[in-house]
Amino acid sequence: GIQVEQSPPDLILQEGANSTLRCNFSDSVNNLQWFHQNPWGQLINLFYIPSGTKQNGRLSATTVATERYSLLYISSSQTTDSGVYFCAVVEYGNKLVFGAGTILRVKS
Amino acid sequence: DTGVSQDPRHKITKRGQNVTFRCDPISEHNRLYWYRQTLGQGPEFLTYFQNEAQLEKSRLLSDRFSAERPKGSFSTLEIQRTEQGDSAMYLCASSLSALNTGELFFGEGSRLTVL
Repeated sequence: GIQVEQSPPDLILQEGANSTLRCNFSDSVNNLQWFHQNPWGQLINLFYIPSGTKQNGRLSATTVATERYSLLYISSSQTTDSGVYFCAVVEYGNKLVFGAGTILRVKS
Repeated sequence: DTGVSQDPRHKITKRGQNVTFRCDPISEHNRLYWYRQTLGQGPEFLTYFQNEAQLEKSRLLSDRFSAERPKGSFSTLEIQRTEQGDSAMYLCASSLSALNTGELFFGEGSRLTVL
């Protein structure tokens, strides 16, 4: 099955700093989503981005499907950005395959 | 528009007991999914329903696990004879369309602790 690798596994930022999270996948995909898991465990949808670039406030994402990677940019980070960021892809059918996540800690 | 709702949010049980979790998807979504997440890992797929039909099951779903969606609306996930290894967050999700064309939306999860 498809492999999804996220980097870095852990990231500590000072409030106000920018960061880039990366997601590599091993095969062609039909869908890619980025999620933020808050401290209470809920997965919040950030982007549905099988290809191209999207922006939502301080967050933006780019997927280059032909090169099998996606990037999530966080600008001017805030303490509320802390949590785990997951990339997930659909290889086929109706199964979303998740990476192991990037743990982000933003310090004030 | 209410999101995906799960109940209970937390469940502590003794090994060997049965537990049941309920999921109410977003109202117009006919596709419903169950995932399991253990500490430090990403969610793992368990099973998928389209309307009332269970169309796909993971090998993770042992014989002690059963999921139903009797009327194509809410779903239940039952674990019989719980084991300590069943301790995890059980996540329900729903989608309006097939995942190769649409987004998956998750509930807040049901955290199970087996003592």
